[in-house]
Amino acid sequence: DTGVSQDPRHKITKRGQNVTFRCDPISEHNRLYWYRQTLGQGPEFLTYFQNEAQLEKSRLLSDRFSAERPKGSFSTLEIQRTEQGDSAMYLCASSFPHRGAQYFGPGTRLTVL
Amino acid sequence: GENVEQHPSTLSVQEGDSAVIKCTYSDSASNYFPWYKQELGKGPQLIIDIRSNVGEKKDQRIAVTLNKTAKHFSLHITETQPEDSAVYFCAASYQGSQGNLIFGKGTKLSVKP
Repeated sequence: DTGVSQDPRHKITKRGQNVTFRCDPISEHNRLYWYRQTLGQGPEFLTYFQNEAQLEKSRLLSDRFSAERPKGSFSTLEIQRTEQGDSAMYLCASSFPHRGAQYFGPGTRLTVL
Repeated sequence: GENVEQHPSTLSVQEGDSAVIKCTYSDSASNYFPWYKQELGKGPQLIIDIRSNVGEKKDQRIAVTLNKTAKHFSLHITETQPEDSAVYFCAASYQGSQGNLIFGKGTKLSVKP
């Protein structure tokens, strides 16, 4: 299967802990996106990369959130000092350059106790 | 910024009937409109998309129509099957398929055998 993969699929943590998620995009996709989805809502955009450059960040991405894509391949999303409000599904998507549609991974479900 | 409204929030049909889901958007600059299907515990799956230079697009039992003047677009599923049961999301972007997607809140479709 050559789709977008995310790891871990589930993460339970205590408030105040740091967590890191990984996304591996479809190979040759140069754009990589992070979205967050809470229960009963559609995904909300967080940030995206073109190759290793982070080109846009949403206002939803507080200072506690940081994303990287060091070699233009996989990406990590770190949340520091987690809060209960961070509980959500974190989705990654990737796309080909020029007119490519966005394809989503299975997501990482975060629960902050 | 862009706002996407989706109706209805829930839809129940008999197997074999048609289902229609409607979305409206606020930003007349939006030019790309994908539809995603999300099953429980999975990431959104792209099922069809349309660009603003096209009024209608069809793929087997699925079709999407776009009315730029009224700023609304619709998903039509014909001959529904139980496996069509899922949550469907519409989205819009003013930066084409490469841009940040603004999603509706979703429609839970139930197809009864």
